[in-house]
Order: sequence, then C-alpha cells, then structure tokens
Amino acid sequence: GQNIDQPTEMTATEGAIVQINCTYQTSGFNGLFWYQQHAGEAPTFLSYNVLDGLEEKGRFSSFLSRSKGYSYLLLKELQMKDSASYLCAVKDSNYQLIWGAGTKLIIKP
Amino acid sequence: IAGITQAPTSQILAAGRRMTLRCTQDMRHNAMYWYRQDLGLGLRLIHYSNTAGTTGKGEVPDGYSVSRANTDDFPLTLASAVPSQTSVYFCASSLAGGNSPLHFGNGTRLTVT
Repeated sequence: GQNIDQPTEMTATEGAIVQINCTYQTSGFNGLFWYQQHAGEAPTFLSYNVLDGLEEKGRFSSFLSRSKGYSYLLLKELQMKDSASYLCAVKDSNYQLIWGAGTKLIIKP
Repeated sequence: IAGITQAPTSQILAAGRRMTLRCTQDMRHNAMYWYRQDLGLGLRLIHYSNTAGTTGKGEVPDGYSVSRANTDDFPLTLASAVPSQTSVYFCASSLAGGNSPLHFGNGTRLTVT
C-alpha cells in the first residue's frame, strides 16, 4: 500500500529552527508538496520538490531525497504565526496525491 | 477576488437527508477535487474531475456523487447522509500539470446526527 509518515506533533521555540520530516512509500513518484494549514482553515501551498535537493523560499526550505523516500520542511526564525499543521503529499505514478496526516507544530514564546 | 467558494460554511444534517455541498471557482482551473478531512487522518479524495464533463472516483467515493457541467462548478451530493459522513469537506482546484498545486476552498463542516 501507499503510505506517508510524518510526526504527529512537534514543539519549538519562537526564533528557533525546526525540521519536519516526511517519509513516503508510493507506487511511483511525480513530485512532493508541502502545505500549511492553520486550525479551522484551508491548506495553503508552501513548496514543491520533484528533483533531489533543497528548495529555498524565504524562511521556509524543503528538501527531497528520492532514493531515500524522504523529505523535510525547514522553518527558520520561527514566529508565533507559524503555529499550524504542515501536510506532506506525494503524487504517485497515476498523478494522484497521497496525503500524510500532517504534523501539528506548536510554537512557544 | 479569484479563488474557490464553498457553501455552506457549516451544516447540521439529520441522517437519511439529502445534501448538496456547493463549490465554485473563478480561476479557470481544469481540475477540481473533493476531499474530506478527519482528525488523525490525511486528506482523503472523494471524487475528482480532470475537465468539464468528466468525473472520477477517489479513495472514498461511496455515498457521494458529483457532477461537472461546466468549468466553474463542482457540487458534491450526499444522497442519504449517515453519521460516518460527519467531517470537514474541502473543495480544491488546480491547473493541469504535475507541478500544479491545489487551491482549496475554506471548507464545509458537516455534522450528521
């Protein structure tokens, strides 16, 4: 079966750096997405990786290793507004999105 | 403002009743999707449409139906609601292409009693 694994919950301190990991086992690979979802709101797109390596976008970076079935989202200079759930999703060989259950990130002052 | 509009925002529905969740987008996206989100689970695809006039079944289609008469609208119908359909429902759309992200509506919180 297809599976996406993420930690259920993480806690970090304002101003610090946090890394949210995502491992996947899917039938084929056509890209990996990260979304942010604040409580009670819709998911919003953060990043897309299809080739190995690091994609940087401001305070957020996303890394992919296809050989390891592994990605991480790196958040720097954490702000209270970064408290949210972070969803990892992979497009399989049929271009269907497989979603992880999400990582709830709690930021403490 | 371009985006996706879902209605209603929330609804309490008696079991056995019929209900249609509405979804409209004005971004001229080809593809549209309906997901449900339940605590502790990832988003699960109910139905999708790659283009107007076509629809397909997702991971959890039973008890739901959709139509795609035009590009903008993608309603989701529960023919006879059951309590297990209590969930938050998100409509999403995207352009064609593997790297196109999904744009989500604000969701409909449905409670079936």
